[in-house]
Amino acid sequence: AQRVTQPEKLLSVFKGAPVELKCNYSYSGSPELFWYVQYSRQRLQLLLRHISRESIKGFTADLNKGETSFHLKKPFAQEEDSAMYYCAARTTQGGSEKLVFGKGTKLTVNP
Amino acid sequence: KAGVTQTPRYLIKTRGQQVTLSCSPISGHRSVSWYQQTPGQGLQFLFEYFSETQRNKGNFPGRFSGRQFSNSRSEMNVSTLELGDSALYLCASSLLLTGGSGQFFGPGTRLTVL
Repeated sequence: AQRVTQPEKLLSVFKGAPVELKCNYSYSGSPELFWYVQYSRQRLQLLLRHISRESIKGFTADLNKGETSFHLKKPFAQEEDSAMYYCAARTTQGGSEKLVFGKGTKLTVNP
Repeated sequence: KAGVTQTPRYLIKTRGQQVTLSCSPISGHRSVSWYQQTPGQGLQFLFEYFSETQRNKGNFPGRFSGRQFSNSRSEMNVSTLELGDSALYLCASSLLLTGGSGQFFGPGTRLTVL
């Protein structure tokens, strides 16, 4: 089945430490991939898109087609990065296009 | 620009009833998608409307339906409510189909079915 997998439900790091949130997808071809973030008491918002190859708030994500991964990385985590992170893939299934989300990883950055 | 708005924010219904949720997209956005979010299943795609037409559909039963108006506002209807329909319902708007340019989410409507 086509899916987006985020293997870690919870991830805890200390401020200043590197952080990597894992995302694997099981789609063939070249799906369009995204990272969304939800801070406490805020709505879900787009963090970055792989097609833009951008860095937002110090986060980057590289698409690795060989490993079918799209991990989100930041070299030095900050307390304000604590949030729920969702990886998503734009894909076609049964004739319909849709965004498929992983179940999310809750990142906690400790002082 | 004003963000995506959803009304109502909270709803309590009983089994068997029906419910209508409303979503107003960001001005200029013609695509509106609906998602169901539950602790067990996470975010699941319901359907997407673009220019008043349903363009994409997820794997939900026919009890879940929607529509979009000429001003891009969208409504979602759930008939014959079941306990398992209790969830946060999110709508998202985007410029392009299927959130190709990134989707902007509303705050959600929390539906509780008793």
